[in-house]
Amino acid sequence: AQKVTQVQSTGSSQWGEVTLHCSYETSEYFYVILWYKQLFSGEMVFLIYQTSFDTQNQRNSRYSVVFQKSLKSISLVISASQPEDSGTYFCALSEPLDSNYQLIWGSGTKLIIKP
Amino acid sequence: NAGVIQTPRHKVTGKGQEATLWCEPISGHSAVFWYRQTIVQGLEFLTYFRNQAPIDDSGMPKERFSAQMPNQSHSTLKIQSTQPQDSAVYLCASSLEGSGQLYFGEGSKLTVL
Repeated sequence: AQKVTQVQSTGSSQWGEVTLHCSYETSEYFYVILWYKQLFSGEMVFLIYQTSFDTQNQRNSRYSVVFQKSLKSISLVISASQPEDSGTYFCALSEPLDSNYQLIWGSGTKLIIKP
Repeated sequence: NAGVIQTPRHKVTGKGQEATLWCEPISGHSAVFWYRQTIVQGLEFLTYFRNQAPIDDSGMPKERFSAQMPNQSHSTLKIQSTQPQDSAVYLCASSLEGSGQLYFGEGSKLTVL
C-alpha cells in the first residue's frame, strides 16, 4: 500500500487558489512532510515543510499548508496561481528526525495553470 | 551559492555499455543522495552518503550499479552493462546534516537504446 498518496493531476485558471492534497501513513510521533515542485526541466525545487510538532500551518511566500494531523493529511495551497506554477508537485514524508537520508515520496500531482 | 550540479544532463548509451553520472553537491552539505525517476516507478531511492561514507545502498540494483564519493565535492553513479530498463532520470540531492530539506540537481537523463 502507498505510504504517501497524491492525486494524479489537477488544473486551475490563473490567479485562483490551488489546493493539492496529500495523505500519508506513519506511526511515528515526530515526522516531517515536505513539498517539492518539479519543473519541466526536471529540477526539483523545495517549497515548504511542516513538522508534526508544528501547531500552526506553515507559510512560505505564496505557498502554505493545511495540516490535518489527526487525519494524516496535508494540503499545499498556492495563492494567486500563475502559469509558471505549472509543474509536478511532490509530497514527501520524512521519519523520524534523524533519518534525513530517505524520504518517502508520493507519486506527484501534475498541475496545469491556464492563463 | 551554486546548487547541486549534475553532469551530463543527457546521456545516450547502447545496450551493454557503461554509463557514469557525476554529482557535485552543495558545498558544506554532508549528505548526498541518489534517486532514480521513471514514469512507471516514480521516485526511487538508490543510495545515500554521509560525510563521504556510504550509509545505505538498499535501493541500488546490486549487480550492475555502484556509487562512490571519493571526496566531499564529488559523487559518481556508475552503471555497468546498461540495459533499456535502466533508462531514467537520475537525480542527485544533498542536504545539511539533520535537515530533512534536500536540494536537488537538475538530473541526468539516461537513455539506453
